[in-house]
Amino acid sequence: EVQLVESGGGLVQPGGSLKLSCAASGFTFSGSAIHWVRQASGKGLEWVARIRSKANRYATTYAASVKGRFTISRDDSKNTAYLQMNSLKTEDTAVYYCTSYDYDDSGAFDYWGQGTLVTVSS
Amino acid sequence: QSVLTQPPSASGTPGQRVTISCSGRSSNIGSNPVHWYQQLPGTAPKLLIYTNNQRPSGVPDRFSGSKSGTSASLAISGLQSEDEADYYCAAWDDSLNGRVFGTGTKVTVL
Repeated sequence: EVQLVESGGGLVQPGGSLKLSCAASGFTFSGSAIHWVRQASGKGLEWVARIRSKANRYATTYAASVKGRFTISRDDSKNTAYLQMNSLKTEDTAVYYCTSYDYDDSGAFDYWGQGTLVTVSS
Repeated sequence: QSVLTQPPSASGTPGQRVTISCSGRSSNIGSNPVHWYQQLPGTAPKLLIYTNNQRPSGVPDRFSGSKSGTSASLAISGLQSEDEADYYCAAWDDSLNGRVFGTGTKVTVL
C-alpha cells in the first residue's frame, strides 16, 4: 500500500520557521519527483515546490510566492522529503500536502498524503 | 494565484451531463497535458483524468476529458449524488517552471 505521511505542521508566529516532513512507503521513492501543494481554508490548490530524483540531479523549483523563503529537500535513504519554511507570513497558513505523480504511456500514479496544517498567527 | 481559469460552480440533476471548462495559455495548457482532480470535503485531491483524456483504473467512464488549444474540459455524464465535490484542472507551466492549478469548480447535484 502506498503511503505519504506528512508531519511537522503547527502554530507559528509570523517571521518564524517550520520544517515539514513527508514519509513515503509502497513505491519507488528514490526514483520519483516529490511536490508540495498547499490549500488555504476554503480556497483552491496552490503548488509550492518540486524536487526531482537523483537521476535528475535533485533539481528543485519553487512557486514565486515562496521562492527564497522555502527550501525543499529529500533523503532517499529515509524515503522522506522535507519542506523548510522560513520567514513565514500569515498568508502561508494552509494545509500542506506532499504528493508524487508520473504519467506515461503505460499508465499513471498520483499519490497524495493526508496533509498537515500550518497556521501562521500571532 | 491560480493561473488556470474555471467556472466557480456547476450543477445538474441526477442523470444529467455537466461540463467544466479550464482556460489557460500557451505556456501551460497550450504546450503540456492537462490533468483533472476531484476533491471531496476534508480529503486530499484524487486523480480523475490524466494526460488530457486518460482515466486511471477505478475511475468510472462517466468521467471524460478533452483538450483543444489552450483550453480543456471535464465532462461528467450520468451525474450522481456522489459526484458532488470540487474539481480542479492542473498542468505544468513552462514559463513559471512549476505546476499550475485551476481556480476550482464546485459541482452540486440538485
